[in-house]
Amino acid sequence: DSGVTQTPKHLITATGQRVTLRCSPRSGDLSVYWYQQSLDQGLQFLIQYYNGEERAKGNILERFSAQQFPDLHSELNLSSLELGDSALYFCASSVDDQAGKNIQYFGAGTRLSVL
Amino acid sequence: AQTVTQSQPEMSVQEAETVTLSCTYDTSESDYYLFWYKQPPSRQMILVIRQEAYKQQNATENRFSVNFQKAAKSFSLKISDSQLGDAAMYFCAYSGPSGSRLTFGEGTQLTVNP
Repeated sequence: DSGVTQTPKHLITATGQRVTLRCSPRSGDLSVYWYQQSLDQGLQFLIQYYNGEERAKGNILERFSAQQFPDLHSELNLSSLELGDSALYFCASSVDDQAGKNIQYFGAGTRLSVL
Repeated sequence: AQTVTQSQPEMSVQEAETVTLSCTYDTSESDYYLFWYKQPPSRQMILVIRQEAYKQQNATENRFSVNFQKAAKSFSLKISDSQLGDAAMYFCAYSGPSGSRLTFGEGTQLTVNP
């Protein structure tokens, strides 16, 4: 168990809908990362939050947004869903301390199926 | 931009034998980190081993070791005494200085034959 919790494990929805994926980082970790894993794109970085603030953006679509709350949990919102958004979405967290360990621990993922 | 390449989509090994998975990367940074993650059928991403670029000594974790060649930008993973539980997709990953994103390779699917 990595200590990173993602809910729900599975999500089935229809095109055009909106969903919210939730992530609780490991205790003490300030950084949260979101990644998308799909058959055609592989594992791609979407966005990073550090202590409530957006720190880095990757290949995240404008239809997608995220936030990190004061208790450090994070949510990834996906809207106007398309068939191509079907993927496994991972959340990872890291402590980002001065030692620069930079080890990211992954949650079990949320499998999104858009029908 | 940094890139990571795994040229072996699939590999197989006999139980108890040794196998090496290849990875090359491209970066202009001098300070960075390299990782191998394992993704079994459960789809969980599990950290196998980590290498800091400024350290010349190759990292080892029990049966797992790396061959880090900084000048060649090569980072291979050696699995000794392979076990059935080692069967998984293995991803090589790069990150810059502390607190930055992971860039993943395409993955190598490892099969362990009894």
